[in-house]
Amino acid sequence: NAGVTQTPKFRVLKTGQSMTLLCAQDMNHEYMYWYRQDPGMGLRLIHYSVGEGTTAKGEVPDGYNVSRLKKQNFLLGLESAAPSQTSVYFCASSYRPGFSTDTQYFGPGTRLTVL
Amino acid sequence: DQQVKQNSPSLSVQEGRISILNCDYTNSMFDYFLWYKKYPAEGPTFLISISSIKDKNEDGRFTVFLNKSAKHLSLHIVPSQPGDSAVYFCAASERFTNFGNEKLTFGTGTRLTIIP
Repeated sequence: NAGVTQTPKFRVLKTGQSMTLLCAQDMNHEYMYWYRQDPGMGLRLIHYSVGEGTTAKGEVPDGYNVSRLKKQNFLLGLESAAPSQTSVYFCASSYRPGFSTDTQYFGPGTRLTVL
Repeated sequence: DQQVKQNSPSLSVQEGRISILNCDYTNSMFDYFLWYKKYPAEGPTFLISISSIKDKNEDGRFTVFLNKSAKHLSLHIVPSQPGDSAVYFCAASERFTNFGNEKLTFGTGTRLTIIP
């Protein structure tokens, strides 16, 4: 099992450009999440999904859109990138609530720089 | 408003000694707490968790203590090893009070350095 994978690993954008980050998991997890990590801020939840075809806003959703067309994939889109979106983005997945061993499994991250 | 706080950005400990990482929270609805470990250029990995019905959970060298009245938890690593050098994040959720809510609120992290 590859676990949670993220594509790409690094990206540099110019202000106003758009891009999509792809997250894939092969663990048949129901829930998927997108976080951003900034210095001194910890990880903050951008959007999440509780199942195929569903999405919901997290703590910092502005400027981002997401889609979960397939259970194993969760896409994060930036329609018009801004320097404030320079960050490291982590995707995570978890099985489903109510299971004592359930936890979130993270991908390796995507480092995005917006100039 | 930072609901989960890790007030020590860094900590250095001699190999073989005990490492104690602290975390405070303000949201009384949190009922499930986790510690994640993160190496550079990797995603966080789950380390240990504790639910609010317990005050201690142990897994090998790692023990998490929860003091609900003080809204404080700590992670003890005994004995500390060089491979423990990493950033440790404390996280909390309303897993049981808000069933189905798997959202985690993270602290800002503590960088632990184990000195050989």
